[in-house]
Amino acid sequence: AQSVTQPDIHITVSEGASLELRCNYSYGATPYLFWYVQSPGQGLQLLLKYFSGDTLVQGIKGFEAEFKRSQSSFNLRKPSVHWSDAAEYFCAVGISNFGNEKLTFGTGTRLTIIP
Amino acid sequence: DTEVTQTPKHLVMGMTNKKSLKCEQHMGHRAMYWYKQKAKKPPELMFVYSYEKLSINESVPSRFSPECPNSSLLNLHLHALQPEDSALYLCASRPSSGVGGEQYFGPGTRLTVT
Repeated sequence: AQSVTQPDIHITVSEGASLELRCNYSYGATPYLFWYVQSPGQGLQLLLKYFSGDTLVQGIKGFEAEFKRSQSSFNLRKPSVHWSDAAEYFCAVGISNFGNEKLTFGTGTRLTIIP
Repeated sequence: DTEVTQTPKHLVMGMTNKKSLKCEQHMGHRAMYWYKQKAKKPPELMFVYSYEKLSINESVPSRFSPECPNSSLLNLHLHALQPEDSALYLCASRPSSGVGGEQYFGPGTRLTVT
C-alpha cells in the first residue's frame, strides 16, 4: 500500500539556522511528490512539487527539495529559516485512483523557530 | 483570481441541525475536493468531484452529503452530525482530476458539533 512517512513529529531550530525535514514514501510507480505548509487554523499552501526531470526542485519562500529514488525520499531544505516559517509541514504523494489523483499525506512535522 | 474561498469560517451546530458548507473557485478548475482535518492530523480525503460528477467517495457517512451545482461551486450538506465530526473542513481544487497536478486549498471551515 502507498504510504508517506515523516519521521520527525516536531523540530525546533534557531532563526537563521538551516533546516531539513525528512519524507519517505512507499509507492510502486513513479511518484508525484508535494510539500505543503499549513499555518495554525489555515488551509494548506503548496511549497513545491516533483513530477519528473531535475531531482532538485525549487519552491516558494526559499525552500528546495531533493528527490532520491534510491532512498525513496523527498526531503525539504532551507538554508536559513525565518520566524515566519514556524508552521506544520506535510509531505504528500499523488496516487492515481481510476484516473483520478488522490493525495496521501504524511503525518506532518511541526516546526518551531526560536530566536 | 487564484484562490479558493470557503464560507462560513466558523460553524457551531447541534446534533439535530442541518447546515451547509460552501466552497467556491473561479480559476476554471474542473476537479474539486473535500477534506476533513482533525487537530494535529493530516487532511483526510472525503470526496472528489470531476467535471461536476462525484468520482471518489471515501466511504464517508451519509450524514455528509456533497453537491456540485456548477463548475465553480462545491457544497457539503451536514445533517445529524456527531461531536466526533468536529474538525477543520478543507476544500481544494485542481485544473483536472488526472494525475500530476497541484491542489489549491481554501482556508477551511472550523466546525464544532455540540
